[in-house]
Amino acid sequence: KQEVTQIPAALSVPEGENLVLNCSFTDSAIYNLQWFRQDPGKGLTSLLLIQSSQREQTSGRLNASLDKSSGRSTLYIAASQPGDSATYLCVTSGSRLTFGEGTQLTVNP
Amino acid sequence: ETGVTQSPTHLIKTRGQQVTLRCSSQSGHNTVSWYQQALGQGPQFIFQYYREEENGRGNFPPRFSGLQFPNYSSELNVNALELDDSALYLCASSLGGLATNEKLFFGSGTQLSVL
Repeated sequence: KQEVTQIPAALSVPEGENLVLNCSFTDSAIYNLQWFRQDPGKGLTSLLLIQSSQREQTSGRLNASLDKSSGRSTLYIAASQPGDSATYLCVTSGSRLTFGEGTQLTVNP
Repeated sequence: ETGVTQSPTHLIKTRGQQVTLRCSSQSGHNTVSWYQQALGQGPQFIFQYYREEENGRGNFPPRFSGLQFPNYSSELNVNALELDDSALYLCASSLGGLATNEKLFFGSGTQLSVL
């Protein structure tokens, strides 16, 4: 059974700081890994999808990496802004979709 | 905007009642999946429908059931509601089922409260 863990559970940083969110998973037999953003009481917005054959994906200030052999992914956010405040979730796609519990990010002006 | 719409946005029911939640997929998507998200937790996979058939299910009891229609819209039905069923219910649409590299597009969810 796949287990996905996200560290830290919560993070508070000043505006402008670069930061890294971590995701680890126990079963490396995945098709892909996705990072999502969730605002309070809302649905999820897809940020990046990394296919199992890829090592990283970039979109604007976001960069996500994937190391299947070690069961790890990181989401790097450059020059953080208050609008980045949200919960960030990683999810693996294998025999079923498995979500982590999320990292709640607060970027202070 | 993801093109995925869910209704209703909020719902209050009492224990023992039945509820139906609805989801309209993004145009062209043939796969819909449903998730339960309790407060402060990550979403939990309930089940998935691909071309009108269930083709994946999480650890939820049979009183959670669903349908997918020819236009690929979907319903989630929950019978005999329990207090612990209170959660945000999310649906997501995609193309081609779980074993693909297609992105998921989520609706904004239905917040269900069971009293």
